[in-house]
Formats: sequence, C-alpha cells, structure tokens
Amino acid sequence: NAGVTQTPKFQVLKTGQSMTLQCAQDMNHNSMYWYRQDPGMGLRLIYYSASEGTTDKGEVPNGYNVSRLNKREFSLRLESAAPSQTSVYFCASSEVLAARNTDTQYFGPGTRLTVL
Amino acid sequence: KQEVTQIPAALSVPEGENLVLNCSFTDSAIYNLQWFRQDPGKGLTSLLLIQSSQREQTSGRLNASLDKSSGRSTLYIAASQPGDSATYLCAVSRNFNKFYFGSGTKLNVKP
Repeated sequence: NAGVTQTPKFQVLKTGQSMTLQCAQDMNHNSMYWYRQDPGMGLRLIYYSASEGTTDKGEVPNGYNVSRLNKREFSLRLESAAPSQTSVYFCASSEVLAARNTDTQYFGPGTRLTVL
Repeated sequence: KQEVTQIPAALSVPEGENLVLNCSFTDSAIYNLQWFRQDPGKGLTSLLLIQSSQREQTSGRLNASLDKSSGRSTLYIAASQPGDSATYLCAVSRNFNKFYFGSGTKLNVKP
C-alpha cells in the first residue's frame, strides 16, 4: 500500500518548456488535489477533482491544466513554464464522506520544480 | 476569502516542555479543521481532524481544540521530544474539497 505517489521528485525547466506532473493513489479515494507550497505562504490549492471525470479550479489555477485520467491518477500540466511557477507541488487524496463530514487528506512526497 | 494565520512562525523549546501552537481563521463558517505535520523535504501527515461540531480531539500527547466563534484553534503538545521537531500546519475547509492552509509553525525541540 504505497498511498500517494508523485513523479518526478525533482525537475528543472527552462522558461517556456512544458511538463506533466504525475500523481497516483491506491486508497480508492474519490477526491484528489494539487497544491503548491511556496516559502512563507503555506499550501495553495491549484485544482481539485471531486470524482473521476470532474475537475474544478482552486485558488491559483492560472498557468496549469489537470486531467483526472481514472480514479487512481490525477496529473498536472504546465504548458509554458514561468519562473513564478518555481515551487514545491503536492498531490493529495481524500475520501470525502458528506454524511460524516470527514475528509482527511493524504499527501504525496512532493515534486520540487525549478523554472529558470 | 478565508485567511488562515499561524503564530508563531517558529518556536524553539527544551525537551520535556509542554507547548501550544496557534491557528486563527477569518471565516467561522467551516466544515472542519485539520492539523498536519511536515518534516523537511517531505509531504504532510495528518495529525488530528476536528469536525465543526466538535470542540477538541486528542491523539496521544497531542490535543487540538476548536473555537469556531472566535476563529481559533490550538494544538497542545505535551512533554515535547526532539522527534516532535517539524513544521506544523493547520488547514480549514469551508466546503468539501476546498481547503485553506496556514503558513505553519516551525518547531525545534532541543535535547
């Protein structure tokens, strides 16, 4: 049981390059999330997917696209990377149970991205 | 927009001390509040989740309280140990799938 896995762990891009960050979870969770973490600013939600086939914008979606490929996988794509997208990116998943109002999130180890 | 603030940003204490970490939020209409631990270079690990109808949750040496009306939560760590050294973050959810994080308190417990 690996939990939430992310690839790659580290990446360096040049301005204008594109790349996709991969995330997978093996806990059969409905909901998945992408966050970025910048120094002194905590985590900010980029996009989330409440269920397979659906995606919604979070707090900072500009410059990103996402795909919920199936229940297990949720990818984040940077079409044209900018230095402002240098950050640590975390994927998370949770089982949102409305009747119980519990949505503990489980996080992956993160991808450290530098855009030059 | 929900704003979550954590004070202090950093804290250093000797081993064995009891300590309190603070989290405040601007919008009291929350579903729940969660405390996380983050070790350097790692992801976040959930410590405690308090539902909006609850006042506190306990797990081992950790106790988290929630006062929705005043927009505050505290994380109490009893008998701190060097292994507790990490960054502690709180997060509130206004509705399912929308979470707002504080910037964290970096804790150092000295042997």
